Amino acid sequence: QKEVEQNSGPLSVPEGAIASLNCTYSDRGSQSFFWYRQYSGKSPELIMFIYSNGDKEDGRFTAQLNKASQYVSLLIRDSQPSDSATYLCAVRNAGGTSYGKLTFGQGTILTVHP
Amino acid sequence: NAGVMQNPRHLVRRRGQEARLRCSPMKGHSHVYWYRQLPEEGLKFMVYLQKENIIDESGMPKERFSAEFPKEGPSILRIQQVVRGDSAAYFCASSPRSGADNEKLFFGSGTQLSVL
Repeated sequence: QKEVEQNSGPLSVPEGAIASLNCTYSDRGSQSFFWYRQYSGKSPELIMFIYSNGDKEDGRFTAQLNKASQYVSLLIRDSQPSDSATYLCAVRNAGGTSYGKLTFGQGTILTVHP
Repeated sequence: NAGVMQNPRHLVRRRGQEARLRCSPMKGHSHVYWYRQLPEEGLKFMVYLQKENIIDESGMPKERFSAEFPKEGPSILRIQQVVRGDSAAYFCASSPRSGADNEKLFFGSGTQLSVL
């Protein structure tokens, strides 16, 4: 079982719709959860992070965390063609002092079509 | 404020040669992480360094790979005697401090290594 698992997609949504990206993780002690966006050939860019159960909203983005179900999701409202990218879920596991040591999922490719 | 700077952007090596990848962290950042992204795979942690110290190298292959972050100058990821399987995008990331739950990584633009 992969430590961080994402549906690789591609996920295709029409412009203006809500895109829902999902991620599950295996380490129950995981502390912090991150969503990165990566355009083709570019570097990952942090768009959201969440530590507590529940929802966290930032503009058109909402991250949702359910530690009991070991599940984290990202909702993108009013999707735009510029949102088309690969979305990477990353988890920082419990323990240790390497706080930047993240375990990434393989990414979900999102395509927003006009 | 310049971001994380990596060079070269693209590096081509023949099998058996050495590859040196450089990373200068963001201004004010003293923690450097190297990640590797193989085709069709997610980012994989390789090594975590602070100035003059390797803190965590649990993701580094046991042979041919080494990393350093000297007191002066950029962090270097060195791959000796490269093989085709080393072809990947190598990303460097930096962070301002360690020990915080809200530790955030800022990634450089990466070095695409191609081994012929």
